[in-house]
Amino acid sequence: DAGVIQSPRHEVTEMGQEVTLRCKLISGHNSLFWYRQTMMRGLELLIYFNNNVPIDDSGMPEDRFSAKMPNASFSTLKIQPSEPRDSAVYFCASSLATRNTGELFFGEGSRLTVL
Amino acid sequence: SQKIEQNSEALNIQEGKTATLTCNYTNYSPAYLQWYRQDPGRGPVFLLLIRENEKEKRKERLKVTFDTTLKQSLFHITASQPADSATYLCALGGDSSASKIIFGSGTRLSIRP
Repeated sequence: DAGVIQSPRHEVTEMGQEVTLRCKLISGHNSLFWYRQTMMRGLELLIYFNNNVPIDDSGMPEDRFSAKMPNASFSTLKIQPSEPRDSAVYFCASSLATRNTGELFFGEGSRLTVL
Repeated sequence: SQKIEQNSEALNIQEGKTATLTCNYTNYSPAYLQWYRQDPGRGPVFLLLIRENEKEKRKERLKVTFDTTLKQSLFHITASQPADSATYLCALGGDSSASKIIFGSGTRLSIRP
C-alpha cells in the first residue's frame, strides 16, 4: 500500500485566495483526521470523520475552513478565503478505528504559505 | 479544557545513555496513550500504544509507562543512538469520543555522538 497521500506538498498563495488540500486514505481504513501543525501551537486536531461522517469539527478555526469526505477513500480541506495566519503544515491521517486502538498513519503533509 | 504537556525544552543527551521523555495530561480520561516520532519535514510515525489498564510496554529499545493516577506517561529510549534524534509526540485517545486523538506539542531529542 502506498500509504496516506496528500497533495499538494507545498502551496504558496496570496491572501484571499481559495486553497484546497487533498488526502487519499489507506485502503480499508475508516477514520480520517485533519491536523494543522505550527511551531506555536503544535499539532492541532481540526476535524475527524468515521465512515465518511464528520464526528467532531470543534477544532476547525472558523467558517472559512471546511472539510468533506465524498467517498471512503478521499477527503478535501478547503480554506476560503485564506489568510496569512493560516500558514502551517496540514496533515491528514487515517486509521482503522476501534475503541482501544487507533494507530494513525500520517501523510507527508501539505505546507501552506499565505502571503 | 483538555491539556497535554510534554518537556518544553529540547533534550540533549550523550549517545549510549537512556533518554526519558515526559507526557502529562489534565481533564482527560484516555483509553490509551500513543507515542509518535516525527522527523523534520515528515509526518509523525507511530511507535507504541499503551492502554489504560497497562502499566508498562516495551518494544526493542523503547519502554513506555502509563500512570493514570498521576496522569502521566514516561517514554524511555535505552542505549540511545544519534539516529534516535527526532521530535517525539505523545497522543491521547479513546475518551468519551471514542476515536478522537489529540497530541502534545512534542519534545525534540538530540543524541550527540
